[in-house]
Amino acid sequence: QSALTQPASVSGSPGQSITISCTGTSSDVGGYNYVSWYQQHPGKAPKLMIYEVSNRPSGVSNRFSGSKSGNTASLTISGLQAEDEADYYCSSYTSSSTLRVFGTGTKVTVL
Amino acid sequence: EVQLVESGGGLVQPGGSLRLSCAASGFTFSSYSMNWVRQAPGKGLEWVSYISSSSSTIYYADSVKGRFTISRDNAKNSLYLQMNSLRAEDTAVYYCARDYCSGGSCYTHSNSDWGQGTLVTVSS
Repeated sequence: QSALTQPASVSGSPGQSITISCTGTSSDVGGYNYVSWYQQHPGKAPKLMIYEVSNRPSGVSNRFSGSKSGNTASLTISGLQAEDEADYYCSSYTSSSTLRVFGTGTKVTVL
Repeated sequence: EVQLVESGGGLVQPGGSLRLSCAASGFTFSSYSMNWVRQAPGKGLEWVSYISSSSSTIYYADSVKGRFTISRDNAKNSLYLQMNSLRAEDTAVYYCARDYCSGGSCYTHSNSDWGQGTLVTVSS
């Protein structure tokens, strides 16, 4: 099972909106609404930001939103803030024998 | 407060074995499915293994299948990962992670709580 494909880096200025893509196949992202997104700051454990494509856990800012079209899921961060600078990973259920797959990761830089 | 504390990491030679533990507190451990996720130094996250609350359902990544065994002891609020035939490419920080549950529903494919991780280094 190959990792889901994400851009290596995305950047934006404070206040802007950015979108991170996560591309898989019909066996994972495209076939199920089980895409989640994680934020990870250096040296820290990941934090769940979005579950089941577009749902935010309680406590997560509404500046974070998720969506999906075909085999590609997306995470949008609006009103970019300095604290949003981190690595972001998507994850999906997969119908292969392995259950779960993560994306390659995207480093978000706030200019 | 939910707490997950991993232990058992360390330096091991290729071909060796190691057993990781994850001590859980602050929630009803026996009600939650659990996962192991790893991260090689400077690399991305890799899902490793899943175990359901009753241990009836278990999954592994292809990269560890046949070498790693996940288990749990609900009486001891503990999760384990027995790692055999270790390879250099198994070098990573290993996290235990709890499935996300909210409003009476649990979302098996999302993890809301993570430990701080334990480092496993496979090297001669």
